[in-house]
Amino acid sequence: QSALTQPASVSGSPGQSITISCTGTTNDIGTYNLVSWYQHHPGKAPQVIIYEGTQRPSGVSHRFSGSKSGNTASLTISGLQPEDEAGYHCCSYAGSNTWVFGGGTKLTVL
Amino acid sequence: QVQLQESGPGLVKPSQTLSLICAVSGDSRSSGPYYWSWIRQPAGKGLEWIGHIFTSGTTYYSPSLKSRVTISVDTSKSHFSLNLTSVTAADTAVYYCARLLRTGDVFDIWGQGTMVTVSS
Repeated sequence: QSALTQPASVSGSPGQSITISCTGTTNDIGTYNLVSWYQHHPGKAPQVIIYEGTQRPSGVSHRFSGSKSGNTASLTISGLQPEDEAGYHCCSYAGSNTWVFGGGTKLTVL
Repeated sequence: QVQLQESGPGLVKPSQTLSLICAVSGDSRSSGPYYWSWIRQPAGKGLEWIGHIFTSGTTYYSPSLKSRVTISVDTSKSHFSLNLTSVTAADTAVYYCARLLRTGDVFDIWGQGTMVTVSS
């Protein structure tokens, strides 16, 4: 069970859109539509922003969207805002009641 | 609204056992089936799923930690616990407890996290 692969960092200017990729294998992302994404501000609890690959919890901005193609899931943030600067973590079900996270991506809003 | 709060020693000596408790407040029963989970984040690294426990006591652990981890639940005291044996510096991390909601298979509620350092 290996960690999912995310870019270490991404950046964008306010108003722009960015996409964070999350690459797994046929043992996790490629087989199950159970990818979730978490926003994590330093010193605070992580917060779910996408679940089941594309679903947004109540209260999460429509600027956040998720997708999947093959073994890779993606998180897109449109209309970047300064408060979006945070860590972003993907997570996937990996079968047999186990879960695997990605290495995390730090988003910088320039 | 359910809230979670981790507690435990912030410093553990190498080879000893790391023990943490997650206090649960609020009513989870209306949310559907769920597991109580432990997740950690070493400094500068990503999150790592440690394992979780159903209210029945059934447990599931990360294969890489399975030989050293025990998660238990005390429903009467509204908390669940993590024990990690034979710790090394590699176990130094912020430890989070979280609720894994099976409707959506999502970690929907998290504690604030507690820093644990393994050092002599």
